[in-house]
Amino acid sequence: NAGVMQNPRHLVRRRGQEARLRCSPMKGHSHVYWYRQLPEEGLKFMVYLQKENIIDESGMPKERFSAEFPKEGPSILRIQQVVRGDSAAYFCASSPPLAGTYEQYFGPGTRLTVT
Amino acid sequence: AQTVTQSQPEMSVQEAETVTLSCTYDTSESDYYLFWYKQPPSRQMILVIRQEAYKQQNATENRFSVNFQKAAKSFSLKISDSQLGDAAMYFCAYRSVSNFGNEKLTFGTGTRLTIIP
Repeated sequence: NAGVMQNPRHLVRRRGQEARLRCSPMKGHSHVYWYRQLPEEGLKFMVYLQKENIIDESGMPKERFSAEFPKEGPSILRIQQVVRGDSAAYFCASSPPLAGTYEQYFGPGTRLTVT
Repeated sequence: AQTVTQSQPEMSVQEAETVTLSCTYDTSESDYYLFWYKQPPSRQMILVIRQEAYKQQNATENRFSVNFQKAAKSFSLKISDSQLGDAAMYFCAYRSVSNFGNEKLTFGTGTRLTIIP
C-alpha cells in the first residue's frame, strides 16, 4: 500500500507566478489535510478537505490560496501570485473515512522556493 | 483555541542514554489526542507515539514512552537507549475529538535532538 504521495518534491517559482502542489492520499483515504512549515518552525494547519468538500479552512490565508479535492484525482493546493514569504515546506496528510480514526499519515512534503 | 508549547529548542544525549523531551498544552476540552512526531533530515513526518486523553495508562512503543499528566497538561516523551537514528526534530501535537470535522493537528515548535556518539 503506497503512502501519501506529493509532487513535485521541490518547486521553484518567481514572484508573481502560480504554484500548484499535488497530493495523492493513501488508498482508501478520503480525508486530506494541508500543513505549512516555515523554516525552523513547526507545522501549521491550513485546510482540511473531504472528497469535493472543504471541511475546515481556518488556517488558509484569505487571499491567493485555494485548495480542492475532486471526486477523481489528487488534492491540489494552489497559490496564486506567489511572494517570497510563501517559501516553505508544504505537507499533505491523509486519514481514512472511519469514525473515531485519529491518525494522519504524512507525505514527504513539497518544498516551495520563491525567487 | 488549543496551544502546544515545547520549551526546549535543542537537546542532546549520549548514545545509549535516556532523554526526556517536554511538551505542555492548553485546552478546555476534556477529551483529545496527543502525539509525538519525528522529523529526520529527510523531512518526512513519522508518528512516534500517541496518547488518548481518556486513558490513564501512559503509552509505550518499544524504546519510546510518554509521561502524560492530564491535570498538569503535560505530555513528555522519554527515549531510552538512544540511538544515532533517533537524531531528528521532535514535534508534540494535539488533536481535538469533541467536534465533528475539527480534526486538525496543532503542533508545537519542535525540539531538535542530537545524539552524541
